Amino acid sequence: DGGITQSPKYLFRKEGQNVTLSCEQNLNHDAMYWYRQDPGQGLRLIYYSQIVNDFQKGDIAEGYSVSREKKESFPLTVTSAQKNPTAFYLCASSNTGFLGYTFGSGTRLTVV
Amino acid sequence: SQELEQSPQSLIVQEGKNLTINCTSSKTLYGLYWYKQKYGEGLIFLMMLQKGGEEKSHEKITAKLDEKKQQSSLHITASQPSHAGIYLCGADIYAGGTSYGKLTFGQGTILTVHP
Repeated sequence: DGGITQSPKYLFRKEGQNVTLSCEQNLNHDAMYWYRQDPGQGLRLIYYSQIVNDFQKGDIAEGYSVSREKKESFPLTVTSAQKNPTAFYLCASSNTGFLGYTFGSGTRLTVV
Repeated sequence: SQELEQSPQSLIVQEGKNLTINCTSSKTLYGLYWYKQKYGEGLIFLMMLQKGGEEKSHEKITAKLDEKKQQSSLHITASQPSHAGIYLCGADIYAGGTSYGKLTFGQGTILTVHP
């Protein structure tokens, strides 16, 4: 079955460490997205990519980095420069022109 | 202020009651997308509205987009415990005849349905 996989589901890291969240899709979707969800704030866009080897900053890109070397994969690195990294991170993908995203099941990152 | 406002922020209803969730944009929309989320999980796509005045239904859920394409409502008829969750609207903001290719989300509405 086609879908989008995020791993791991739960992640704990010490303050000051970089951490990479994985996102893989086998839906042959061109576009991929990373959102962050905090209680009471809905989803906020971190980065998105509409084509391989290209990506754009979203509303809250500071302290994050991404790469899109393959169509199927869009990993997100949370760097030590991100001041409040503890959150629920959601990856999504879509076909160009239709934003009915398919979402992954999310990664809950806790930084201690 | 938020580009996309959802109301109410939370809603508690008795099973069988009807309810409405609203989503208002400060900008004209190219498209409006409704999603449902179970706590701690990813979002599930429900419906997309694009034309002014458009209305779509799926089972007991109906969504409408106003003529000006700045406000949408989601209506649930005869609610059931299975309707409980977080409902989020996602806006594809109008960019001069086309889409920006990304969604801006509202804060979400937490729906609780008591049996």
